[in-house]
Amino acid sequence: NAGVMQNPRHLVRRRGQEARLRCSPMKGHSHVYWYRQLPEEGLKFMVYLQKENIIDESGMPKERFSAEFPKEGPSILRIQQVVRGDSAAYFCASSHDSLSNQPQHFGDGTRLSIL
Amino acid sequence: AQRVTQPEKLLSVFKGAPVELKCNYSYSGSPELFWYVQYSRQRLQLLLRHISRESIKGFTADLNKGETSFHLKKPFAQEEDSAMYYCALSEGNGGATNKLIFGTGTLLAVQP
Repeated sequence: NAGVMQNPRHLVRRRGQEARLRCSPMKGHSHVYWYRQLPEEGLKFMVYLQKENIIDESGMPKERFSAEFPKEGPSILRIQQVVRGDSAAYFCASSHDSLSNQPQHFGDGTRLSIL
Repeated sequence: AQRVTQPEKLLSVFKGAPVELKCNYSYSGSPELFWYVQYSRQRLQLLLRHISRESIKGFTADLNKGETSFHLKKPFAQEEDSAMYYCALSEGNGGATNKLIFGTGTLLAVQP
């Protein structure tokens, strides 16, 4: 089991471009979480998805950010018209279900740099 | 508001010395508390959680509801313990989601 797979590991975009971050959960996991880590800060929750459903997007910025977890394929975090402030590490985690005693397993993250 | 506070950005100790990484939380309900660790060039991984009441790699953490703390302790530090440690909270079984709220992390450096 390769664990949670995120790609790309590093992504460079110019201001105004779109960024697409992918996350394949662990085998057998149907719950995906996205977190963002700004420099010198802890991880901040963004969104929680199950297959084809957004369950909690309370941590997502209202504009430019969207997430999906289709029936087939990885979860995608999409950032439109990126700005310098979007530069951060974006981590994906997956779990077997939503019970709080089920641990979340993290990917290596995608480091997004905006020029 | 839910919050996790790790007051130390860096903790430097000598090998064999005791270690205590501090974590305080703010939450009105009954949270679940976790410690995650990130070793150099590795991904974030779960170290231990309070409901398990277990010792992992010699580390223990006790939930103190009166002091709203969940400090991580180890009696004798080893060089391989050097890593970034994050304390995290989730809402517990009464919550709708399992989202984690993280502290800012403490870098533990164990000197030889």
